[in-house]
Amino acid sequence: DGGITQSPKYLFRKEGQNVTLSCEQNLNHDAMYWYRQDPGQGLRLIYYSQIVNDFQKGDIAEGYSVSREKKESFPLTVTSAQKNPTAFYLCASSGTEAFFGQGTRLTVV
Amino acid sequence: DAKTTQPNSMESNEEEPVHLPCNHSTISGTDYIHWYRQLPSQGPEYVIHGLTSNVNNRMASLAIAEDRKSSTLILHRATLRDAAVYYCILRDHPYSGTYKYIFGTGTRLKVLA
Repeated sequence: DGGITQSPKYLFRKEGQNVTLSCEQNLNHDAMYWYRQDPGQGLRLIYYSQIVNDFQKGDIAEGYSVSREKKESFPLTVTSAQKNPTAFYLCASSGTEAFFGQGTRLTVV
Repeated sequence: DAKTTQPNSMESNEEEPVHLPCNHSTISGTDYIHWYRQLPSQGPEYVIHGLTSNVNNRMASLAIAEDRKSSTLILHRATLRDAAVYYCILRDHPYSGTYKYIFGTGTRLKVLA
């Protein structure tokens, strides 16, 4: 079935370490997105990409990095520069409408 | 980015209709009105979208004001599974513009048995 796959579902990271969240789609969408959600809050845009080898910063890009080497894949790296990385991370892709993955819950220990 | 305004929360009785309002007074001529909903600990899911005319699908109906400055998502018979946060979003034409989906805080719908 077509859709968005995020992995892992739960991730624990030690302070000072970088960690990469995976996002894969088989919907043949050009546009892909990463959002962060904190408890009880809405989604905030981190990065988005409209085409392979191109991406743009969203509202809260500091401390994060992305790459878009393939149409199907848009991994997000949470770097040690991100001061408060514990959150729920959501990846999406879109054509006429957006499809979201099931999210990765990152906890810094 | 054009902004939307929604009530923080609403309640409905099970099997009754629910009307979820959204104001978007700065909407531009090419903005589509999208609705998504998010169940706890899940990613948002698409509900419906429209441009000018009212729209119906198996999940809901979307009523768009004539001046397009507001819209209403209608769930015809609320069930307990409809309890979620509902987001109203403006999105530029799918094949032009910024491609960004900017989420507000949405409306938390509580359905009472």
